[in-house]
Amino acid sequence: AQSVAQPEDQVNVAEGNPLTVKCTYSVSGNPYLFWYVQYPNRGLQFLLKYITGDNLVKGSYGFEAEFNKSQTSFHLKKPSALVSDSALYFCAQLESGAGSYQLTFGKGTKLSVIP
Amino acid sequence: DTGVSQDPRHKITKRGQNVTFRCDPISEHNRLYWYRQTLGQGPEFLTYFQNEAQLEKSRLLSDRFSAERPKGSFSTLEIQRTEQGDSAMYLCASSLTGTVKNTEAFFGQGTRLTVV
Repeated sequence: AQSVAQPEDQVNVAEGNPLTVKCTYSVSGNPYLFWYVQYPNRGLQFLLKYITGDNLVKGSYGFEAEFNKSQTSFHLKKPSALVSDSALYFCAQLESGAGSYQLTFGKGTKLSVIP
Repeated sequence: DTGVSQDPRHKITKRGQNVTFRCDPISEHNRLYWYRQTLGQGPEFLTYFQNEAQLEKSRLLSDRFSAERPKGSFSTLEIQRTEQGDSAMYLCASSLTGTVKNTEAFFGQGTRLTVV
């Protein structure tokens, strides 16, 4: 079965430092991969997606993600963390063969940016 | 606010009761999705509609669950004979018709169900 793993339940980083939130996927062929962010009492917000093309994908709020096929990873990164980046981050992949947003999500990683 | 809206935001019900949630998608979006998110987990896909047609249902959607989108606009999700295991956040999302490459899915804030 298709799955997405986020190995860290929580990531703590100091404000101004670079951050990485890890994600690995399992799907054969070419995966479609996504990152979403969830703030308290707010819906999931789209950050970025990888469909094809450049392995480095740039998204909203200064985030980017690197697709690595050999390591089946899609880690989320930001060069300089802000306190306002503190939230719950979800990695997701599209169900194989799905023509719409049938996504398999990871468990989520709580990011805390410390002032 | 022109985003995806869900009603109610919170629902507490007794075990065995029926509940119904509503989702209003972004007005021009043809596709509508329901997801369920339990504590400490990511959202899980339940079902989706294109216009009024229900095109896909997850095996998570037991016989007690039914979703409708009668006029291709808003959707309802009904849970009959609720169980404590149904306690979760129910998320609705919508998107335009098209490939994943050139569309985005927008999520609502969710309806939090607590079954006591």
